[in-house]
Amino acid sequence: SAVISQKPSRDICQRGTSLTIQCQVDSQVTMMFWYRQQPGQSLTLIATANQGSEATYESGFVIDKFPISRPNLTFSTLTVSNMSPEDSSIYLCSVRGGGGQPQHFGDGTRLSIL
Amino acid sequence: GENVEQHPSTLSVQEGDSAVIKCTYSDSASNYFPWYKQELGKRPQLIIDIRSNVGEKKDQRIAVTLNKTAKHFSLHITETQPEDSAVYFCAASRNFGNEKLTFGTGTRLTIIP
Repeated sequence: SAVISQKPSRDICQRGTSLTIQCQVDSQVTMMFWYRQQPGQSLTLIATANQGSEATYESGFVIDKFPISRPNLTFSTLTVSNMSPEDSSIYLCSVRGGGGQPQHFGDGTRLSIL
Repeated sequence: GENVEQHPSTLSVQEGDSAVIKCTYSDSASNYFPWYKQELGKRPQLIIDIRSNVGEKKDQRIAVTLNKTAKHFSLHITETQPEDSAVYFCAASRNFGNEKLTFGTGTRLTIIP
């Protein structure tokens, strides 16, 4: 399966600031997704990152708060904007190759907001 | 949209015994059902998946069964070992996984030595 590199692995940020998380894959993939996992909880899809066009956001998530870029088939970024303590969570990049390949996850970014 | 329910939320099993985790889904068009294992502090890892054109799939000590009529699927782990302790998530999607996954709420499995 594809090797997914996500950075930073963790960060501690001040309230009101923004952080951009990067996801790099070692091969071209069809689909890239961003998930949030709050402590002890399941995986919640934030959005599907679309190559060359705007991301598709799930209910409850908006572009102003979570802008996403996907300039090519191997790279995507998620920005968490104007952070508050409620944004403290693990953010995970996930990818799926073409041809019915299964979906795999990066190691995640553990974000704490003070 | 799809809704996936998972039970139990926690499960403790004596080492060597079997563990069963069950999920139900609401969207009859769902036809792809993966299972992920997440160890503490690690990423979710795919351990097995099944498509709706089969009723059961096995990989060593792990098996998944699917009942399309009842819209439920289950993960079976036999001869459990301490390294099986983790949180397990089921998921469902349409189009054999080419659409977004909807995850269950997770089951924390503890293997008692």
